[in-house]
Amino acid sequence: QKEVEQNSGPLSVPEGAIASLNCTYSDRGSQSFFWYRQYSGKSPELIMSIYSNGDKEDGRFTAQLNKASQYVSLLIRDSQPSDSATYLCAVNRVFNKFYFGSGTKLNVKP
Amino acid sequence: GAGVSQSPSNKVTEKGKDVELRCDPISGHTALYWYRQSLGQGLEFLIYFQGNSAPDKSGLPSDRFSAERTGGSVSTLTIQRTQQEDSAVYLCASSLDEISSNTEAFFGQGTRLTVV
Repeated sequence: QKEVEQNSGPLSVPEGAIASLNCTYSDRGSQSFFWYRQYSGKSPELIMSIYSNGDKEDGRFTAQLNKASQYVSLLIRDSQPSDSATYLCAVNRVFNKFYFGSGTKLNVKP
Repeated sequence: GAGVSQSPSNKVTEKGKDVELRCDPISGHTALYWYRQSLGQGLEFLIYFQGNSAPDKSGLPSDRFSAERTGGSVSTLTIQRTQQEDSAVYLCASSLDEISSNTEAFFGQGTRLTVV
């Protein structure tokens, strides 16, 4: 079983729609949860972090965490073509390495 | 520095040669990570440093790979006798890694290694 599981996609949404990206993790001791965006040929860029159950909003992005279900999600409202990228979910414990999912490719169609 | 800095950005080397990749983390970040990403693939964990020690080297693919970190800052990843399958982008990240706070890891721009 992988530490972090993501659907590889591609997930296609029309411009202006809500994109919903999901991630599950296996280690119940995980304490920190992150979403990274990676454009083709570029390195991963941190876009959201979440540490407690519930929702965290930052502009058009909302991260959701449910520790009981070991589930993390990222919602992108009013999706733009510039949001087209691969989104990586990552989890970690303190003093431990980050575990990354394989990423979900998002295509936002104009 | 303002961000994680990696050098060189690109490296082309002949099969069998040794290469050194450098990572300069964000100032004050105690944790440093090396990952490898082959074309179209996910991130493959290589090694994790806490200060100058490496509590987790489990991802190093073979004994041709080694890494060190000095002064709790700069890290060097060395690949000896490079093979074509070593061709990939090597990514370095750093984080504060303090037990009292949740931390975020930030990546450098990566080193694209091509073994010919």
